[in-house]
Amino acid sequence: GENVEQHPSTLSVQEGDSAVIKCTYSDSASNYFPWYKQELGKGPQLIIDIRSNVGEKKDQRIAVTLNKTAKHFSLHITETQPEDSAVYFCAATLRGGSGATNKLIFGTGTLLAVQP
Amino acid sequence: NAGVTQTPKFQVLKTGQSMTLQCAQDMNHNSMYWYRQDPGMGLRLIYYSASEGTTDKGEVPNGYNVSRLNKREFSLRLESAAPSQTSVYFCASSGGPPGRRGEQYFGPGTRLTVT
Repeated sequence: GENVEQHPSTLSVQEGDSAVIKCTYSDSASNYFPWYKQELGKGPQLIIDIRSNVGEKKDQRIAVTLNKTAKHFSLHITETQPEDSAVYFCAATLRGGSGATNKLIFGTGTLLAVQP
Repeated sequence: NAGVTQTPKFQVLKTGQSMTLQCAQDMNHNSMYWYRQDPGMGLRLIYYSASEGTTDKGEVPNGYNVSRLNKREFSLRLESAAPSQTSVYFCASSGGPPGRRGEQYFGPGTRLTVT
């Protein structure tokens, strides 16, 4: 079945530096790749997503890149701030998901710590 | 808009007890989902409902049942709780406007402990 691997599991950066989190997926039929941020005691919050017909998407300090051939996608956060500290999850659609009903397979998460 | 709401926030059960986790969304979304989150394992899909009146199994459905009561509400029931069901449970919904239909929005979670 579909599998999503996420690395690293923990990442510590200095404020102002960049952070990169990488994910690989196994199902070539996956076509939607969201990233979620989860703060302690809260539910995951969608921060950015990318579809398979796009190679890169950017929203202010956050960007996501997708390499369909290699089946990997990455989250890039520039000019990190202490409030970026959280757990980040990548996800990919499971075969059979379509349109508004996306069955997602999640990575195991990356704990990002931004040191002031 | 409250988004996705879940009740209760915390629950402790003894092995063999039953309970229902409640979820409601006010975004007029068609699809709703139940996930569980365990340390080091990310989120895993338990059940989902593509639309009112339909439900389907996800990755880890054993030990759970669901009901899509109406378009707004999707409940998760544990008939006979087991310690392996100790977890944090999240409800989510999707079905926004074209171009954003697949985006899933999560509730705040229910932390369940089974002793």
